[in-house]
Amino acid sequence: NAGVTQTPKFRILKIGQSMTLQCTQDMNHNYMYWYRQDPGMGLKLIYYSVGAGITDKGEVPNGYNVSRSTTEDFPLRLELAAPSQTSVYFCASSPDLREQYFGPGTRLTVT
Amino acid sequence: DQQVKQNSPSLSVQEGRISILNCDYTNSMFDYFLWYKKYPAEGPTFLISISSIKDKNEDGRFTVFLNKSAKHLSLHIVPSQPGDSAVYFCAARFSGSARQLTFGSGTQLTVLP
Repeated sequence: NAGVTQTPKFRILKIGQSMTLQCTQDMNHNYMYWYRQDPGMGLKLIYYSVGAGITDKGEVPNGYNVSRSTTEDFPLRLELAAPSQTSVYFCASSPDLREQYFGPGTRLTVT
Repeated sequence: DQQVKQNSPSLSVQEGRISILNCDYTNSMFDYFLWYKKYPAEGPTFLISISSIKDKNEDGRFTVFLNKSAKHLSLHIVPSQPGDSAVYFCAARFSGSARQLTFGSGTQLTVLP
């Protein structure tokens, strides 16, 4: 039981490049979330999903897109990377509207 | 506007003593509160939670207290151990919402041996 896995662990992007952050969970959770954490700050919600085929915006969705074609996978897409997107990205899943289980994070630098 | 605030960025405590981490919130629509612990280079891990209908929840060395009138939450760790050294985040959930969670900025706890 791997829980929530994220790839890659680290990535450096040039301004204007695109990439997809992968997130997979093997716990059959309906709810999945993407957060970003900037230095000295709490986690801010980017997008979330309540089930396959259903996604919605969180607090800071600009510059990102998501899809949820299966229960297990919830990739986050950055289309035109900007320095403001330098952050640590966490994916999480939850079986209900309470505890969330987090992946190890992806550290992204945009230069 | 920060709806969940952790005003102490850091806290140092001697091993064996009590650690008290505090959290304040502004929105009375929050109905569920959680504490997460985070080690460097890892994702946050769930520690303990409390529903707004309770004022205390205990799990081993960890106790969370909720004062709804003051909109204040605290986490007590007794006795503190060096392995407890981590960043602690409090988080709150809006009533019945899947749009989770609102996090505080975290408190770095250092337990000195």
